[in-house]
Amino acid sequence: EAQVTQNPRYLITVTGKKLTVTCSQNMNHEYMSWYRQDPGLGLRQIYYSMNVEVTDKGDVPEGYKVSRKEKRNFPLILESPSPNQTSLYFCASSPKPTRLINEQFFGPGTRLTVL
Amino acid sequence: GQNIDQPTEMTATEGAIVQINCTYQTSGFNGLFWYQQHAGEAPTFLSYNVLDGLEEKGRFSSFLSRSKGYSYLLLKELQMKDSASYLCAVRGYGQNFVFGPGTRLSVLP
Repeated sequence: EAQVTQNPRYLITVTGKKLTVTCSQNMNHEYMSWYRQDPGLGLRQIYYSMNVEVTDKGDVPEGYKVSRKEKRNFPLILESPSPNQTSLYFCASSPKPTRLINEQFFGPGTRLTVL
Repeated sequence: GQNIDQPTEMTATEGAIVQINCTYQTSGFNGLFWYQQHAGEAPTFLSYNVLDGLEEKGRFSSFLSRSKGYSYLLLKELQMKDSASYLCAVRGYGQNFVFGPGTRLSVLP
């Protein structure tokens, strides 16, 4: 089944304790992205990647790191989480954007709470 | 700066037609997207416009006017399962995405 998977789905942690949220897709997509979703603010893009070893900042990259060493994986790293990073996180992937191919497929989400 | 506006909430009756508007001001434009998101679930793709005009896809249509920075999503023959949030998003030249705050649609019997 074609899908985007995220782990963990739920995480409660404490301030300053490094964590990684994994994202993997099995559709051979070039484009991958991380978003956070907060009430009243909608989805905000954190980082995106056009292909292996190519990453770019979105609107809210502060406090986050990413890497794209393999096409299928795009982990999100919080080196020192803070309470303002409590949010619902979505990973998404799509084929290389063209005029005809534009659909992003979203993972199920990871609900993170930082105490 | 980048700004996308949508109404926060809308209510409509089953079987009716509803239009959800989206206005945008972005530094670059490389397509406008509509996504549907049911409560507690991930967004799913509905439509994409890059040229002015109307794109129709079954009960859903999306319109774009680039000169006005304006789009709308039209939902026909509303069903209860259409109760969801509808997200407008603009893709920039760098393939980044900016989403609006979303419109929560409630369909009443």
